[in-house]
Amino acid sequence: EDQVTQSPEALRLQEGESSSLNCSYTVSGLRGLFWYRQDPGKGPEFLFTLYSAGEEKEKERLKATLTKKESFLHITAPKPEDSATYLCAVQVAEETSGSRLTFGEGTQLTVNP
Amino acid sequence: ETGVTQTPRHLVMGMTNKKSLKCEQHLGHNAMYWYKQSAKKPLELMFVYSLEERVENNSVPSRFSPECPNSSHLFLHLHTLQPEDSALYLCASSQLAGNSYEQYFGPGTRLTVT
Repeated sequence: EDQVTQSPEALRLQEGESSSLNCSYTVSGLRGLFWYRQDPGKGPEFLFTLYSAGEEKEKERLKATLTKKESFLHITAPKPEDSATYLCAVQVAEETSGSRLTFGEGTQLTVNP
Repeated sequence: ETGVTQTPRHLVMGMTNKKSLKCEQHLGHNAMYWYKQSAKKPLELMFVYSLEERVENNSVPSRFSPECPNSSHLFLHLHTLQPEDSALYLCASSQLAGNSYEQYFGPGTRLTVT
């Protein structure tokens, strides 16, 4: 069974204090790993897709990396507006119908000014 | 309108009511999804409509009934719900082509069952 585990559950940072969020996965064959940001009361907002080990993608203060077992979301010099829940999801390679994503429980990030 | 829209944004219903949630995508995608998001739980996929084919999650109770009249519109019909069905219901869409299958979400409908 495909599994996605995110850690930590919650993370509090001071503004400017860099850190990383972890997403560990166990799947039969990875087609893609996705990162989303979700603000309270809103739908998830797409951030990145990673397809193969060694791949990296960046957007503003965020950088996502991928290995064969896990992905990291690095946040450099975060600002209070980066506070949100960050979700990780995986898609398996043999999916033949639709585009099934398996989500982790998320990491709730709070950045204090 | 752009992206994925959902109506209503908030809904309070009794256990004997019948209501429907509506989703519309303006992205030209060919697959649409319903998810349930409960507190402290991962997003749970309920239904997928892909290239006009419906894929169901067998654990979804029959009191939830989806309808997809075309590739841009998706409905979730609700009847005789239970209090544990209170949650955020999210609609998403994606384009099934090539290797890029990211899903784009609507803002959700916050459902409260009393």
